[in-house]
Amino acid sequence: DTEVTQTPKHLVMGMTNKKSLKCEQHMGHRAMYWYKQKAKKPPELMFVYSYEKLSINESVPSRFSPECPNSSLLNLHLHALQPEDSALYLCASSQSFKLNANTGELFFGEGSRLTVL
Amino acid sequence: AQKVTQAQTEISVVEKEDVTLDCVYETRDTTYYLFWYKQPPSGELVFLIRRNSFDEQNEISGRYSWNFQKSTSSFNFTITASQVVDSAVYFCAQRAEGSGNTGKLIFGQGTTLQVKP
Repeated sequence: DTEVTQTPKHLVMGMTNKKSLKCEQHMGHRAMYWYKQKAKKPPELMFVYSYEKLSINESVPSRFSPECPNSSLLNLHLHALQPEDSALYLCASSQSFKLNANTGELFFGEGSRLTVL
Repeated sequence: AQKVTQAQTEISVVEKEDVTLDCVYETRDTTYYLFWYKQPPSGELVFLIRRNSFDEQNEISGRYSWNFQKSTSSFNFTITASQVVDSAVYFCAQRAEGSGNTGKLIFGQGTTLQVKP
Protein backbone atom coordinates (compact mmCIF):
# COMPACT_ATOMS: atom_id res chain seq x y z
CA ASP A 1 0.00 0.00 0.00
CA THR A 2 1.16 3.49 -0.80
CA GLU A 3 2.32 5.65 2.09
CA VAL A 4 1.11 8.77 0.34
CA THR A 5 -2.66 9.07 0.56
CA GLN A 6 -4.68 11.23 -1.78
CA THR A 7 -8.36 12.17 -1.56
CA PRO A 8 -10.67 12.13 -3.32
CA LYS A 9 -9.76 9.44 -5.82
CA HIS A 10 -12.23 10.84 -8.34
CA LEU A 11 -13.67 14.33 -8.64
CA VAL A 12 -16.08 15.82 -11.12
CA MET A 13 -16.59 19.57 -11.03
CA GLY A 14 -18.09 22.34 -13.07
CA MET A 15 -16.11 25.33 -14.27
CA THR A 16 -17.58 27.57 -11.57
CA ASN A 17 -17.00 25.19 -8.67
CA LYS A 18 -14.39 25.43 -5.93
CA LYS A 19 -12.91 22.16 -4.75
CA SER A 20 -9.75 20.89 -3.10
CA LEU A 21 -7.48 17.90 -3.49
CA LYS A 22 -5.78 16.58 -0.39
CA CYS A 23 -2.57 14.66 0.16
CA GLU A 24 -1.10 13.19 3.32
CA GLN A 25 2.14 11.38 4.09
CA HIS A 26 3.56 10.01 7.33
CA MET A 27 7.06 9.12 6.24
CA GLY A 28 8.62 12.19 7.83
CA HIS A 29 9.39 13.65 4.42
CA ARG A 30 9.83 17.40 4.28
CA ALA A 31 9.43 17.91 0.53
CA MET A 32 6.08 17.47 -1.17
CA TYR A 33 5.05 17.79 -4.80
CA TRP A 34 2.07 18.16 -7.09
CA TYR A 35 2.28 16.64 -10.54
CA LYS A 36 -0.30 16.73 -13.32
CA GLN A 37 -0.62 13.85 -15.74
CA LYS A 38 -2.72 13.83 -18.89
CA ALA A 39 -3.72 10.55 -20.51
CA LYS A 40 -0.83 8.69 -22.15
CA LYS A 41 1.63 11.39 -21.13
CA PRO A 42 4.33 11.54 -18.44
CA PRO A 43 3.73 13.47 -15.22
CA GLU A 44 4.49 17.18 -15.30
CA LEU A 45 5.67 19.01 -12.22
CA MET A 46 3.40 21.78 -10.91
CA PHE A 47 4.62 22.73 -7.43
CA VAL A 48 7.25 21.78 -4.87
CA TYR A 49 7.10 22.53 -1.16
CA SER A 50 10.07 22.26 1.13
CA TYR A 51 9.63 22.64 4.86
CA GLU A 52 6.10 23.91 4.26
CA LYS A 53 7.33 26.71 1.99
CA LEU A 54 6.66 26.93 -1.72
CA SER A 55 9.95 26.25 -3.47
CA ILE A 56 8.97 25.73 -7.11
CA ASN A 57 5.98 26.92 -9.10
CA GLU A 58 6.24 25.76 -12.70
CA SER A 59 4.28 28.74 -14.04
CA VAL A 60 1.01 27.12 -13.09
CA PRO A 61 -2.17 29.20 -13.70
CA SER A 62 -3.55 30.89 -10.61
CA ARG A 63 -6.75 28.83 -10.77
CA PHE A 64 -4.58 26.19 -9.06
CA SER A 65 -3.61 27.24 -5.55
CA PRO A 66 -1.40 24.98 -3.43
CA GLU A 67 -1.24 24.98 0.33
CA CYS A 68 0.97 23.13 2.80
CA PRO A 69 -0.56 23.46 6.30
CA ASN A 70 2.11 21.25 7.88
CA SER A 71 4.85 18.84 6.94
CA SER A 72 2.43 15.94 6.47
CA LEU A 73 -0.31 17.64 4.48
CA LEU A 74 -0.52 19.15 1.03
CA ASN A 75 -3.63 20.62 -0.55
CA LEU A 76 -4.42 21.82 -4.03
CA HIS A 77 -7.30 24.28 -4.21
CA LEU A 78 -9.15 24.42 -7.51
CA HIS A 79 -11.27 27.30 -8.75
CA ALA A 80 -12.70 28.26 -12.14
CA LEU A 81 -11.02 25.35 -13.89
CA GLN A 82 -11.27 24.63 -17.59
CA PRO A 83 -12.14 21.31 -19.26
CA GLU A 84 -8.51 21.01 -20.39
CA ASP A 85 -7.52 20.83 -16.73
CA SER A 86 -9.07 17.37 -16.57
CA ALA A 87 -6.22 15.03 -15.64
CA LEU A 88 -4.74 12.78 -12.98
CA TYR A 89 -3.22 14.86 -10.19
CA LEU A 90 -0.43 13.10 -8.38
CA CYS A 91 1.02 14.01 -5.03
CA ALA A 92 4.53 12.89 -4.09
CA SER A 93 6.95 13.30 -1.22
CA SER A 94 10.67 12.88 -0.68
CA GLN A 95 13.30 13.41 1.97
CA SER A 96 14.19 16.99 2.56
CA PHE A 97 16.37 18.28 -0.19
CA LYS A 98 18.41 20.17 2.34
CA LEU A 99 20.00 16.83 3.15
CA ASN A 100 22.76 15.58 0.89
CA ALA A 101 21.12 12.20 1.00
CA ASN A 102 18.24 13.31 -1.17
CA THR A 103 18.86 12.19 -4.72
CA GLY A 104 15.39 12.78 -6.05
CA GLU A 105 13.65 9.60 -5.03
CA LEU A 106 9.95 10.43 -4.96
CA PHE A 107 7.12 8.42 -3.45
CA PHE A 108 3.79 8.92 -5.15
CA GLY A 109 0.17 8.56 -4.16
CA GLU A 110 -2.45 6.93 -6.38
CA GLY A 111 -3.64 10.27 -7.63
CA SER A 112 -6.92 12.14 -7.87
CA ARG A 113 -8.63 11.83 -11.22
CA LEU A 114 -10.25 15.16 -12.00
CA THR A 115 -12.91 15.77 -14.62
CA VAL A 116 -13.97 19.35 -15.37
CA LEU A 117 -17.28 19.70 -17.16
CA ALA B 1 19.12 20.11 -23.61
CA GLN B 2 18.30 17.49 -21.05
CA LYS B 3 16.16 14.70 -22.40
CA VAL B 4 14.98 11.21 -21.59
CA THR B 5 13.91 9.10 -24.56
CA GLN B 6 11.88 5.92 -24.41
CA ALA B 7 11.55 4.98 -28.05
CA GLN B 8 9.17 2.08 -27.45
CA THR B 9 5.64 3.40 -27.04
CA GLU B 10 3.97 0.02 -26.55
CA ILE B 11 5.25 -3.52 -26.15
CA SER B 12 3.14 -6.65 -26.06
CA VAL B 13 4.52 -10.00 -24.94
CA VAL B 14 3.18 -13.34 -23.88
CA GLU B 15 3.61 -14.40 -20.28
CA LYS B 16 7.03 -15.91 -19.44
CA GLU B 17 8.76 -14.04 -22.24
CA ASP B 18 11.68 -11.78 -21.37
CA VAL B 19 11.25 -8.12 -22.31
CA THR B 20 13.62 -5.15 -22.35
CA LEU B 21 12.50 -1.55 -22.06
CA ASP B 22 14.92 0.96 -23.52
CA CYS B 23 15.88 4.32 -22.06
CA VAL B 24 18.37 6.81 -23.50
CA TYR B 25 19.24 9.97 -21.63
CA GLU B 26 20.98 13.25 -22.41
CA THR B 27 22.47 15.55 -19.80
CA ARG B 28 25.27 18.06 -19.35
CA ASP B 29 25.65 17.19 -15.68
CA THR B 30 28.67 15.10 -14.72
CA THR B 31 26.84 13.76 -11.69
CA TYR B 32 23.31 12.67 -12.38
CA TYR B 33 20.61 10.31 -11.16
CA LEU B 34 18.41 8.00 -13.19
CA PHE B 35 15.20 6.29 -12.14
CA TRP B 36 12.62 3.79 -13.27
CA TYR B 37 9.00 4.02 -12.14
CA LYS B 38 6.10 1.66 -12.79
CA GLN B 39 2.55 2.98 -13.17
CA PRO B 40 -0.12 0.27 -12.97
CA PRO B 41 -3.74 1.03 -13.92
CA SER B 42 -4.40 2.19 -10.34
CA GLY B 43 -2.43 5.34 -11.18
CA GLU B 44 0.25 5.35 -8.51
CA LEU B 45 3.84 5.66 -9.70
CA VAL B 46 5.88 2.98 -7.97
CA PHE B 47 9.58 3.63 -7.53
CA LEU B 48 11.67 0.74 -8.87
CA ILE B 49 15.29 1.83 -8.90
CA ARG B 50 17.69 4.75 -8.69
CA ARG B 51 21.09 4.68 -10.36
CA ASN B 52 23.84 7.25 -9.72
CA SER B 53 26.13 8.26 -12.56
CA PHE B 54 29.23 7.27 -10.60
CA ASP B 55 27.99 3.73 -10.01
CA GLU B 56 27.95 1.71 -13.21
CA GLN B 57 27.21 -1.61 -11.60
CA ASN B 58 24.24 -3.35 -13.10
CA GLU B 59 21.53 -4.38 -10.70
CA ILE B 60 19.25 -7.36 -10.36
CA SER B 61 16.19 -7.55 -8.16
CA GLY B 62 14.26 -10.77 -8.58
CA ARG B 63 12.95 -10.86 -12.15
CA TYR B 64 14.01 -7.25 -12.75
CA SER B 65 17.43 -6.18 -13.94
CA TRP B 66 18.91 -2.92 -15.12
CA ASN B 67 21.77 -2.30 -17.51
CA PHE B 68 23.42 1.12 -17.10
CA GLN B 69 25.89 2.01 -19.86
CA LYS B 70 27.41 5.48 -19.71
CA SER B 71 29.20 4.95 -23.03
CA THR B 72 25.85 4.80 -24.82
CA SER B 73 23.88 6.95 -22.32
CA SER B 74 21.44 4.13 -21.80
CA PHE B 75 19.68 2.71 -18.78
CA ASN B 76 17.69 -0.27 -19.97
CA PHE B 77 15.29 -2.34 -17.92
CA THR B 78 14.72 -6.07 -18.41
CA ILE B 79 11.92 -8.17 -16.99
CA THR B 80 12.67 -11.88 -17.06
CA ALA B 81 9.84 -14.39 -17.30
CA SER B 82 7.21 -11.67 -17.53
CA GLN B 83 3.90 -12.02 -15.71
CA VAL B 84 0.48 -10.50 -16.29
CA VAL B 85 0.97 -8.35 -13.17
CA ASP B 86 3.88 -6.66 -14.92
CA SER B 87 1.42 -4.98 -17.28
CA ALA B 88 1.80 -1.25 -16.68
CA VAL B 89 3.31 1.93 -18.02
CA TYR B 90 7.00 2.20 -17.22
CA PHE B 91 8.73 5.56 -17.00
CA CYS B 92 12.43 6.24 -17.11
CA ALA B 93 13.35 9.53 -15.43
CA GLN B 94 16.31 11.71 -14.62
CA ARG B 95 16.87 14.34 -11.97
CA ALA B 96 16.55 17.72 -13.63
CA GLU B 97 19.70 19.69 -14.44
CA GLY B 98 20.16 22.74 -12.28
CA SER B 99 17.55 21.49 -9.86
CA GLY B 100 19.98 21.83 -6.98
CA ASN B 101 18.77 19.50 -4.32
CA THR B 102 15.13 19.50 -5.38
CA GLY B 103 13.32 16.38 -6.40
CA LYS B 104 12.37 17.67 -9.83
CA LEU B 105 12.38 14.81 -12.33
CA ILE B 106 12.41 14.79 -16.12
CA PHE B 107 10.36 11.83 -17.35
CA GLY B 108 10.52 9.95 -20.61
CA GLN B 109 7.29 9.48 -22.53
CA GLY B 110 6.73 6.07 -21.01
CA THR B 111 6.46 2.55 -22.42
CA THR B 112 3.18 0.67 -22.08
CA LEU B 113 3.86 -3.00 -21.46
CA GLN B 114 1.09 -5.51 -21.97
CA VAL B 115 1.73 -9.06 -20.84
CA LYS B 116 -0.82 -11.51 -22.20
CA PRO B 117 -1.61 -14.80 -20.47
